[in-house]
Amino acid sequence: DGGITQSPKYLFRKEGQNVTLSCEQNLNHDAMYWYRQDPGQGLRLIYYSQIVNDFQKGDIAEGYSVSREKKESFPLTVTSAQKNPTAFYLCASRQGAGRNQPQHFGDGTRLSIL
Amino acid sequence: GESVGLHLPTLSVQEGDNSIINCAYSNSASDYFIWYKQESGKGPQFIIDIRSNMDKRQGQRVTVLLNKTVKHLSLQIAATQPGDSAVYFCAESGGSNYKLTFGKGTLLTVNP
Repeated sequence: DGGITQSPKYLFRKEGQNVTLSCEQNLNHDAMYWYRQDPGQGLRLIYYSQIVNDFQKGDIAEGYSVSREKKESFPLTVTSAQKNPTAFYLCASRQGAGRNQPQHFGDGTRLSIL
Repeated sequence: GESVGLHLPTLSVQEGDNSIINCAYSNSASDYFIWYKQESGKGPQFIIDIRSNMDKRQGQRVTVLLNKTVKHLSLQIAATQPGDSAVYFCAESGGSNYKLTFGKGTLLTVNP
């Protein structure tokens, strides 16, 4: 089945540690996105990429990094500089052509601090 | 499972009733709008979208209404079922970078 796969579903980080969240899509979508969701909040954009080897900061990029070496993969690294990393992280993708296309989401990774 | 619906506006309806979920947006340049459904512990699921050159669009059991004059969007769910219980988000987009801005969501609870 086509879709977006995020792994792991649950992740724990120790103080001072970097962790990487995986996002893979087999929809042949050009654009990919990372969002953070906190309880009672909407989704906030961390980073996005509209094409391979290119990405832009979203609204809350500090303490995060990404790469887009392959069309189907957009991993997110939560660095030790992110002081409040506990959240639900969502990856999305979108067909690149045309303005009016919805984003489609994976089922998220929940990150907690040990 | 985990809840992402804490401290959200809530709507409680009886099974079989119609539900109306509202969303206000602030960016007058927004020209594309989407409704998503998010169940506990899962990612948002696309429900329906509408472009700014339309004021109404219908899907299966759902209707989205757009009032650009007052910057208001609504989602109507007909004959609401227990499986419709979830958090519903509106999202808006405008400009060339295709970024979406999400509302905070509404928790819909359907009572059997």
